[in-house]
Amino acid sequence: AQSVTQLDSQVPVFEEAPVELRCNYSSSVSVYLFWYVQYPNQGLQLLLKYLSGSTLVKGINGFEAEFNKSQTSFHLRKPSVHISDTAEYFCAALSSGNTPLVFGKGTRLSVIA
Amino acid sequence: GAVVSQHPSRVICKSGTSVKIECRSLDFQATTMFWYRQFPKQSLMLMATSNEGSKATYEQGVEKDKFLINHASLTLSTLTVTSAHPEDSSFYICSARDGTGGRDSLHFGNGTRLTVT
Repeated sequence: AQSVTQLDSQVPVFEEAPVELRCNYSSSVSVYLFWYVQYPNQGLQLLLKYLSGSTLVKGINGFEAEFNKSQTSFHLRKPSVHISDTAEYFCAALSSGNTPLVFGKGTRLSVIA
Repeated sequence: GAVVSQHPSRVICKSGTSVKIECRSLDFQATTMFWYRQFPKQSLMLMATSNEGSKATYEQGVEKDKFLINHASLTLSTLTVTSAHPEDSSFYICSARDGTGGRDSLHFGNGTRLTVT
């Protein structure tokens, strides 16, 4: 079964510094990968997704992620964070077929002024 | 783009009452919808998979009689929390799969925050 591991539960970072949120998935079969953001008291919002093609995926709000098949990773990066990026970030994986999305446990990004 | 509407966004109810949450796919037909529950500061937990016209498949540990799921049409699935208790207070999120026209994408509702007093 598919599993997703987010290695860091919390990541504090100073404003305008770069950040990387780590995500590893388990399945070796075809997999779609997603990063979602959840702001306080709101639902999930899709940041970006990898379905196929270029391994570097650019998303909204200046985020990007790179699919690395050999390392089964899909780390999320942003070169310069803002206070408004403070939120919970979820990595998720979806295998082809009628299967639900499998989420990691989330990483809380706290941007410090 | 594809949109999933989840209603209500917030609901407060008294212990012992039932609450119905709707999940609609607005511009696509969703043969499969998923219901998730999110606990504070934790990730989402899949509760059940709902296929149109058939009974939902519940994950282990999820009470079928308490969390009633109905997927009567290709655009609507409902989750009814029956005889709600304070421990049912949580964030519930639905997602709908759009597998039409060669696509395979998943779309999320904005969630429902349930508070049981």
